[in-house]
Amino acid sequence: ETGVTQSPTHLIKTRGQQVTLRCSSQSGHNTVSWYQQALGQGPQFIFQYYREEENGRGNFPPRFSGLQFPNYSSELNVNALELDDSALYLCASSPRTSDYNEQFFGPGTRLTVL
Amino acid sequence: AQSVTQPDIHITVSEGASLELRCNYSYGATPYLFWYVQSPGQGLQLLLKYFSGDTLVQGIKGFEAEFKRSQSSFNLRKPSVHWSDAAEYFCAVVISGSARQLTFGSGTQLTVLP
Repeated sequence: ETGVTQSPTHLIKTRGQQVTLRCSSQSGHNTVSWYQQALGQGPQFIFQYYREEENGRGNFPPRFSGLQFPNYSSELNVNALELDDSALYLCASSPRTSDYNEQFFGPGTRLTVL
Repeated sequence: AQSVTQPDIHITVSEGASLELRCNYSYGATPYLFWYVQSPGQGLQLLLKYFSGDTLVQGIKGFEAEFKRSQSSFNLRKPSVHWSDAAEYFCAVVISGSARQLTFGSGTQLTVLP
């Protein structure tokens, strides 16, 4: 069984650019959540996708957007990058049932904004 | 607003010594509670979780945690620490909501001395 994978591993961008991060969910999981983890902090919830629609959003501006595809993989897009966007971006997948299900995390994408 | 507090930023213990990592949460109702571990370059791995029932829960790698409603705490313990336990530990909660997103504490960095 393949776990959650993310690409790329590392990325360097300059302020004002746009970036796309990718996540492949674990087999059988139809829900994907994205988190931002700044250096020295805990992860913060960005948003979640279920059945290709946004299903909850944290306190992040609209320049953070996402997609989920029919195979349940997902993208996180960030426009107009700012220095504070430098962080580890984690993707987590889970099955969707009536109760809470464990979220399985990928290794993350380290984004550096110069 | 909901919050999770990990009062210890950094803890150092000797190998073989016991360990307790503190976690307090601030919610009106009892949330679902979790402990995750993150090693350098790795994603988050779930150590244990509490949903309901027995307030002492056992997890992987010899860890356990005790839920104390009166103290709004969910402290992580291990009777004998191994050098491989050196990592960052995050307490997290989920409350009822459509996204059931994880809210994390700021983490405790564990150093293990030989």
